[in-house]
Amino acid sequence: DTAVSQTPKYLVTQMGNDKSIKCEQNLGHDTMYWYKQDSKKFLKIMFSYNNKELIINETVPNRFSPKSPDKAHLNLHINSLELGDSAVYFCASSQDLPNSGAYGYTFGSGTRLTVV
Amino acid sequence: GENVEQHPSTLSVQEGDSAVIKCTYSDSASNYFPWYKQELGKRPQLIIDIRSNVGEKKDQRIAVTLNKTAKHFSLHITETQPEDSAVYFCAASTIGFNKFYFGSGTKLNVKP
Repeated sequence: DTAVSQTPKYLVTQMGNDKSIKCEQNLGHDTMYWYKQDSKKFLKIMFSYNNKELIINETVPNRFSPKSPDKAHLNLHINSLELGDSAVYFCASSQDLPNSGAYGYTFGSGTRLTVV
Repeated sequence: GENVEQHPSTLSVQEGDSAVIKCTYSDSASNYFPWYKQELGKRPQLIIDIRSNVGEKKDQRIAVTLNKTAKHFSLHITETQPEDSAVYFCAASTIGFNKFYFGSGTKLNVKP
């Protein structure tokens, strides 16, 4: 079973449209994230939710709005899409277990967004 | 905030040779340093990590070293194979803070 799943895998849309990307994790992790990977391969954090609560909100346009209906889901909604939004968006989850080695991200497979 | 720098940006080695990728970080509070491998078109996957109470960790052909004083850590891959070709990312984090700062990535090419 896929631990962190994202849909859709590919998304091609026109400028000005509104779109959503969904993410679900079945690992029982408390924290979920959205990362953006641009054409230069830089991985930049956008948002982080812990138990449905927003804990990290990096400087991203307010056209990007995360929504976490429960701790297993973190969706990303993007309004008024622009050409510069084209990138691969990765969802990830993590669980902090300080007394074990089990810490770190599990990434989803990514959503390649192309705005035309 | 934390700043993670990674070098080199590209690395080409002959199969069987060793590869070394280096990262530096700025925040002395960082205490967890994972390495991720991302194959073309796929998700980043954790390959090895190290905590600040350890200076070195090894897993078969992969090893990571950490120098807390100098604030740098390195990934060592020995006896490289073509399937090691990928982009490798280092990251730094403070356990419990739930935010990873990634390096800019190193594209490793292992020539057969």
